Formats: sequence, C-alpha cells, structure tokens
Amino acid sequence: SYEVTQPPSVSVSPGQTASITCSGDKLGGKYVCWYQQKPGQSPVLVIHQDNKRPSGIPERFSGSNSGNTATLTISGTQTMDEADYYCQAWDSSTAVFGGGTKLTVL
Amino acid sequence: QVQLQESGPGLVKPSETLSLTCAVSGYSISSGYYWGWIRQPPGKGLEWIGSIYYSGTTYYNPSLKSRVTLSVDSSKNQFSLKLSSVTAADTAVYYCARSEKGNNGLYYYYYMDVWGKGTTVTVSS
Repeated sequence: SYEVTQPPSVSVSPGQTASITCSGDKLGGKYVCWYQQKPGQSPVLVIHQDNKRPSGIPERFSGSNSGNTATLTISGTQTMDEADYYCQAWDSSTAVFGGGTKLTVL
Repeated sequence: QVQLQESGPGLVKPSETLSLTCAVSGYSISSGYYWGWIRQPPGKGLEWIGSIYYSGTTYYNPSLKSRVTLSVDSSKNQFSLKLSSVTAADTAVYYCARSEKGNNGLYYYYYMDVWGKGTTVTVSS
C-alpha cells in the first residue's frame, strides 16, 4: 500500500517561514492536500490539489508538489498557526494520510 | 452553511458492531460529493475509513474493508458507518466529512472540505 511520510515535528519563530514536507514515491504525480488540526478540534482543510487555498484560508498558507515531495509553506508564521498538520494523497482509490507534523511556534 | 453532526453510542463492547450516523444540514446529500468517515485513535494521527456517493458507489480503506459497511439515506439526508467485530484498537474519535473527488484528465484528487465535530467511541467490556 502507498505511504506518505512527514517529519514528526517542525519548529519556527513567529514571523518566519515554516516548511512542512510530505514524502512519497512519485508523489508529484498525485494531488496532495493539507489539513490543520488544533488540540480538541476537527481538522481544517488548508490546501487542496497541491496549491489551492479554500475560501477563508489566509494567503500565508501555500503548497507545492514535485518529484517525491510535497511541501506546505506558512509565510510569516503566527502563534495561531501552532497545530498538527497532515498531508493526504489519493492512490489506488484510497485516501492516504501522512503521520502528521506538530508545528511549534516559539 | 454545510454542517455535519455525528451520533451514536460512545461505548461498544468487544466483538460487537460499532454504528454511527452523520446528519447533514445545509446541503442535500443527493446533490453530489462523496461522504466519508475518518478516525483518530487517542494521541495518534488520522486514518481514512472510507466514503460513499449518494448513488451508492463506495471506496474503502483496504485494511478495514472486510469489517466496514457504508450506507446513505437520502430521505433523511444522512449517511452511516458500521464497523463489525470491534476491538480496543478501534477506540478513537470518529469524524464524518464531505469529500470532493475529481480529476483533471491526468491525476485524481480527493480531499475533505467539511468535517463534523467528531464523536468519541470507546471499545471496552
């Protein structure tokens, strides 16, 4: 079965750029989306189809996908962005989630 | 505004069947989209369970397929999950979500754009 891998944790200082990666075999040939989940809350879609932002998601969230790696980039990171982030791809009629990355803003 | 609300027993005994329902408001299920289930064990990541289209087309996580049944009730604008032969490993927060699936001619995309608040299910005797 297909797998996508994320780093367990990423740290960033407020106002700096955070990059969270998602790796998988030939992942650039699949569409990737990203979810943000804060403690005790449901996940929220922040990027779909590699780089499209849903309505209401701040412009500081962007995405890219090429080769074997997709990247979620948060520019000008704010303390409110501290959360778990999950990538997800679609392969062989199955939705596959990465293990999640805890973003710490300090 | 589309809203989803999960409901069902919070405690299920081992070997029994877990049954959950997701009520949809603000959108007619029979108008489109896939409708799916995702779970999250305590302190762990997200696991996709499966999804169903209003016409009955289904997709399942291969690791759970043998135990999962999804159904849609368009008259009540809700969809349901049944997971049989549960064990403690099935203890989790269960979310329902609206899912968009499509393709651009080359690649398929699938993402979940509206989520319910989740319901905690514990498997214990």
